[in-house]
Amino acid sequence: GQNIDQPTEMTATEGAIVQINCTYQTSGFNGLFWYQQHAGEAPTFLSYNVLDGLEEKGRFSSFLSRSKGYSYLLLKELQMKDSASYLCAVVDSNYQLIWGAGTKLIIKP
Amino acid sequence: GAGVSQSPRYKVTKRGQDVALRCDPISGHVSLYWYRQALGQGPEFLTYFNYEAQQDKSGLPNDRFSAERPEGSISTLTIQRTEQRDSAMYRCASSLRGSDPFAEKLFFGSGTQLSVL
Repeated sequence: GQNIDQPTEMTATEGAIVQINCTYQTSGFNGLFWYQQHAGEAPTFLSYNVLDGLEEKGRFSSFLSRSKGYSYLLLKELQMKDSASYLCAVVDSNYQLIWGAGTKLIIKP
Repeated sequence: GAGVSQSPRYKVTKRGQDVALRCDPISGHVSLYWYRQALGQGPEFLTYFNYEAQQDKSGLPNDRFSAERPEGSISTLTIQRTEQRDSAMYRCASSLRGSDPFAEKLFFGSGTQLSVL
């Protein structure tokens, strides 16, 4: 079967750095997305990786290793507004989007 | 419009009634997707359209669920003879090109929270 694994919840301190991991087992691979979802709101796009390596976008970076079936989202200089769920989603060989359950990130002052 | 618009925002209905949920995608977006999302879970795929053509409806739970997008813009998700288990957040999303389904970023609407009593 197809599976996306993410930690259910993480806690970090304002101003610090946090890494949210995502491992996947899918039938093929055509890219990996990270979305941010604040409580009660719609998911919003953060990043898309299709090649191995690190993609940096301001305070947020996303890393992909296709051989390991692994990605992480790195958030630097954490702010209170970063408290949200972070969803990992993989496009499989049939161009179906497989979603993880999300990681709830709690930021403490 | 500026974003994906869904209506109503909340819908409370009695078991056995039919409901219609509306989605107005971003102007010019080719692809439109319907998802269902439970609290603390990722979105669950229901169906998607390119223009007016329904490309995949494999995620619709049963034949009580149907969707249409007759003019390639606004879409309606209809649930007939609603049951309590249909209670959920229903989200619509759109994407620009539709050339590689799901391999481009999605713009989600705020959703319709359906409660079946």
